[in-house]
Amino acid sequence: ELKVEQNPLFLSMQEGKNYTIYCNYSTTSDRLYWYRQDPGKSLESLFVLLSNGAVKQEGRLMASLDTKARLSTLHITAAVHDLSATYFCAVDISFGNEKLTFGTGTRLTIIP
Amino acid sequence: GAVVSQHPSRVICKSGTSVKIECRSLDFQATTMFWYRQFPKQSLMLMATSNEGSKATYEQGVEKDKFLINHASLTLSTLTVTSAHPEDSSFYICSAKTGSFPNEQFFGPGTRLTVL
Repeated sequence: ELKVEQNPLFLSMQEGKNYTIYCNYSTTSDRLYWYRQDPGKSLESLFVLLSNGAVKQEGRLMASLDTKARLSTLHITAAVHDLSATYFCAVDISFGNEKLTFGTGTRLTIIP
Repeated sequence: GAVVSQHPSRVICKSGTSVKIECRSLDFQATTMFWYRQFPKQSLMLMATSNEGSKATYEQGVEKDKFLINHASLTLSTLTVTSAHPEDSSFYICSAKTGSFPNEQFFGPGTRLTVL
């Protein structure tokens, strides 16, 4: 059974600081996704990582994928309050499988 | 592009009634749609995979007779929660795949179901 774990589960950080959210998964995967969820809302797609060593950046967020270590990271640079949300990673075991297994989620709170 | 809508956004119903939730892909055709459930402060759990023109595939532990899924066309899938009970109260989210690279899922805005 595929397991997807994120840490930390909760993260409270000050504005302007840097931090990293980790996503570990238990079996080989073709691709990994990062999503953002605001309270009461659905998911917003952030990144799609398709290969080992993939790195993508958008604004203050940068995601990377190491398929050998079965690890993805979401790095936050110089956090601002608007980044407060819950972040999920999700793993697709194989392209043909088409099913996502979501991580536990990381609730991020940015403190002014 | 790649917009997915859900209707209704919120529904409150009495225990024992049935509720239908619609998921539409607005600007693309989706041969595959997915239904997820999310309880408060928890992650998303896949309930079933909906394929146009065929029976849905349910995940382990999801009652197919309670959660009826119909994928009537390439742009519409429906989830009917039959004889709803308070424990079915949850946030239901659908997603649809575009079929073109990278074939990622796009998520609907979700439906908040409250069963009294």
